[in-house]
Amino acid sequence: QKEVEQNSGPLSVPEGAIASLNCTYSDRGSQSFFWYRQYSGKSPELIMFIYSNGDKEDGRFTAQLNKASQYVSLLIRDSQPSDSATYLCAGSGFQKLVFGTGTRLLVSP
Amino acid sequence: DAMVIQNPRYQVTQFGKPVTLSCSQTLNHNVMYWYQQKSSQAPKLLFHYYDKDFNNEADTPDNFQSRRPNTSFCFLDIRSPGLGDAAMYLCATLAVPYNEQFFGPGTRLTVL
Repeated sequence: QKEVEQNSGPLSVPEGAIASLNCTYSDRGSQSFFWYRQYSGKSPELIMFIYSNGDKEDGRFTAQLNKASQYVSLLIRDSQPSDSATYLCAGSGFQKLVFGTGTRLLVSP
Repeated sequence: DAMVIQNPRYQVTQFGKPVTLSCSQTLNHNVMYWYQQKSSQAPKLLFHYYDKDFNNEADTPDNFQSRRPNTSFCFLDIRSPGLGDAAMYLCATLAVPYNEQFFGPGTRLTVL
């Protein structure tokens, strides 16, 4: 069973802090990993993806991938209340994504 | 400049009354997906098309069917909706080479 696991949270951080979201996966064949943000009642929005070991930065977001340890993380710097949402991690299979159940992030003013 | 469009955004149907949800895309992507998402759960893949090749997930109920008449459009038919089919239905397309999926806004289905 190919799985992607995330802590459901909620993860609570104060405004301006760094939020760290983590994800582990079981399928070593997964090549790419994706972070989606989903606001309540809305569809998932792609934040960024990563396919190489190491870090990838995009604005306030940094994705980290460690294939040896099979984990992916997303760091959100200078967290804002508007970042409060559920963050879905997904790993790619052949033409498919395997989603985790998401981590709920709450950023308090 | 919406790229993946879903209609309607909200659909109310009665128990057992067939319903069709539609999805269109302006991205010219070969692969299109239908997901079902219930509250606090991950999106669950129902089926996907690679061009006209239809791929059904093993655990997708027979009550759900799909059509893709051309590259731009894809439809989800629920033949006899039950109360358990109330959910958000998400359409997505696939971009190569990194396999990013882009989601439409979703259709919220209510079954009375």
